[in-house]
Amino acid sequence: AQKITQTQPGMFVQEKEAVTLDCTYDTSDPSYGLFWYKQPSSGEMIFLIYQGSYDQQNATEGRYSLNFQKARKSANLVISASQLGDSAMYFCAMREGPTSYDKVIFGPGTSLSVIP
Amino acid sequence: DGGITQSPKYLFRKEGQNVTLSCEQNLNHDAMYWYRQDPGQGLRLIYYSQIVNDFQKGDIAEGYSVSREKKESFPLTVTSAQKNPTAFYLCASRPRTSGIYNEQFFGPGTRLTVL
Repeated sequence: AQKITQTQPGMFVQEKEAVTLDCTYDTSDPSYGLFWYKQPSSGEMIFLIYQGSYDQQNATEGRYSLNFQKARKSANLVISASQLGDSAMYFCAMREGPTSYDKVIFGPGTSLSVIP
Repeated sequence: DGGITQSPKYLFRKEGQNVTLSCEQNLNHDAMYWYRQDPGQGLRLIYYSQIVNDFQKGDIAEGYSVSREKKESFPLTVTSAQKNPTAFYLCASRPRTSGIYNEQFFGPGTRLTVL
């Protein structure tokens, strides 16, 4: 069964606008971590933001924020003031812990295109 | 500069040949990982290692083998038993002692094409 779901295969956003990329996850472990990575066309994976299952506040890192809704098992990424350089694949990932804390599961990704 | 090196960036092999992908890190990280990425898809875990001389299978280990003789190195061998080896392979590392909250650091990847 798919543990990480990203329902938007492709998204378009106008430059300087905000965009939300969806991610839902499935786990029965109370302790887990959620990550978002960016993958430009070069192929490298760039870490963007992290949210812990026990964190009380939504994570923010510059223009990135994570809309964490624990009851809905949702961890959406919000990018504010989109830039042309934001065009890339975006992956949501989850690490379940503590017994499997080293295993990270990735979603299928969302392709974001920023339009000038 | 600290980081993860994967070589080569592009690799071509004939069907039926084994091929070894290199992954080296100078971050002093204990844990290392190998992922496979197919076009338009996410990353799937092949093998991971938490410590030298120890490693565990991931979700798609069949047809692959690894070794971890040194902390800095985690080479992946794609054997002839792997039915569809053409893919993008990413290596990652992480400091093991940090608990579950630290992100993985990724190398630049190797694109393997089997002809």
